[in-house]
Amino acid sequence: NAGVTQTPKFRVLKTGQSMTLLCAQDMNHEYMYWYRQDPGMGLRLIHYSVGEGTTAKGEVPDGYNVSRLKKQNFLLGLESAAPSQTSVYFCASSHGVSEAFFGQGTRLTVV
Amino acid sequence: SQQGEEDPQALSIQEGENATMNCSYKTSINNLQWYRQNSGRGLVHLILIRSNEREKHSGRLRVTLDTSKKSSSLLITASRAADTASYFCATDDITGRRALTFGSGTRLQVQP
Repeated sequence: NAGVTQTPKFRVLKTGQSMTLLCAQDMNHEYMYWYRQDPGMGLRLIHYSVGEGTTAKGEVPDGYNVSRLKKQNFLLGLESAAPSQTSVYFCASSHGVSEAFFGQGTRLTVV
Repeated sequence: SQQGEEDPQALSIQEGENATMNCSYKTSINNLQWYRQNSGRGLVHLILIRSNEREKHSGRLRVTLDTSKKSSSLLITASRAADTASYFCATDDITGRRALTFGSGTRLQVQP
């Protein structure tokens, strides 16, 4: 039982490059979330999903896209990375809006 | 703007003292949760209090909720150096986005 697993853990991108962050959970949770955490800003919700095949925008969705083709996976895409997207990205999952389980984070630097 | 805001932003105390952190939020909620984050790690769930509850205890943690003031407090009693971490409150919004949104957190430093 791995919980929530994020891939990769670290990445450096050049401005304009694209990449996909993968989040996988093995707890059969309906809800999955992507957050970004910047110094002094706490966690800000990027996109979330309340079930397979559904996605919704969070507080800061611009520049990101997501997909939830399988219940256990939630993908976060950056089509054209910008330095402002340098951050630590966290994925989480939960049964409804209850206790959320977090991955260990992906540290992304855009140069 | 974020749904929850914690106060204070930073808190430094001595081992054995109590630590109190406050959270204010803006909308109607189903529940309010507190999480802990050690430096460089993911968040870990501490406690959940439902909107019809006023107080909840878990070990050295005590959480209160005042829905009329849209505020909550987290009390850590008899603090230990190992309690050093950032603490966040999280809420859902029953009138809008059904997703967990977090405040900016309180950084707690417990001096040995």
